[in-house]
Amino acid sequence: DADVTQTPRNRITKTGKRIMLECSQTKGHDRMYWYRQDPGLGLRLIYYSFDVKDINKGEISDGYSVSRQAQAKFSLSLESAIPNQTALYFCATSEGTFYEQYFGPGTRLTVT
Amino acid sequence: DAKTTQPNSMESNEEEPVHLPCNHSTISGTDYIHWYRQLPSQGPEYVIHGLTSNVNNRMASLAIAEDRKSSTLILHRATLRDAAVYYCILSVTGNQFYFGTGTSLTVIP
Repeated sequence: DADVTQTPRNRITKTGKRIMLECSQTKGHDRMYWYRQDPGLGLRLIYYSFDVKDINKGEISDGYSVSRQAQAKFSLSLESAIPNQTALYFCATSEGTFYEQYFGPGTRLTVT
Repeated sequence: DAKTTQPNSMESNEEEPVHLPCNHSTISGTDYIHWYRQLPSQGPEYVIHGLTSNVNNRMASLAIAEDRKSSTLILHRATLRDAAVYYCILSVTGNQFYFGTGTSLTVIP
């Protein structure tokens, strides 16, 4: 089984809808991250969490919110989806600040 | 502002060494240099990271310039499975990763 899982893997939604992307990990890591990737570009950090009580904004947090329900679960929400949020979303975990990040398989989100 | 600069694409013959360059002229003293790669339809995977000294692991070597304004990822013998986009990343204050656009490596059989 994969160490970092993301659900759903693909999602098509309409403008204005609320949507939640979920991430679960079995690595026992405290740190979790959400990134988005646009075609032909690198990943950009949306939010990160160092533990269940610590949530931090990343480079592009506007229009997104997160919830850290447990050490193993970190959810990303789009309160009112818009077309320019169409992208590939990745969740990642790490053991600590300078440690390797482990990425999930990604969620492809399309907002029409 | 781009924190790292990499060539858009590179080619290498199979079983030849590959040197992937990265410029990071605005690096600060506490920024680590990380390299990740992304195979098609997958999430990024860790390759190597370092601060000041050159680093080696089973996947690759990382050569860091003395002034730390540039680094080079070295794949000693490219295989077809090494075809991917390679990202050179700075971890600013250790908390946030800033990905560039990466270098797309093509390995020619």
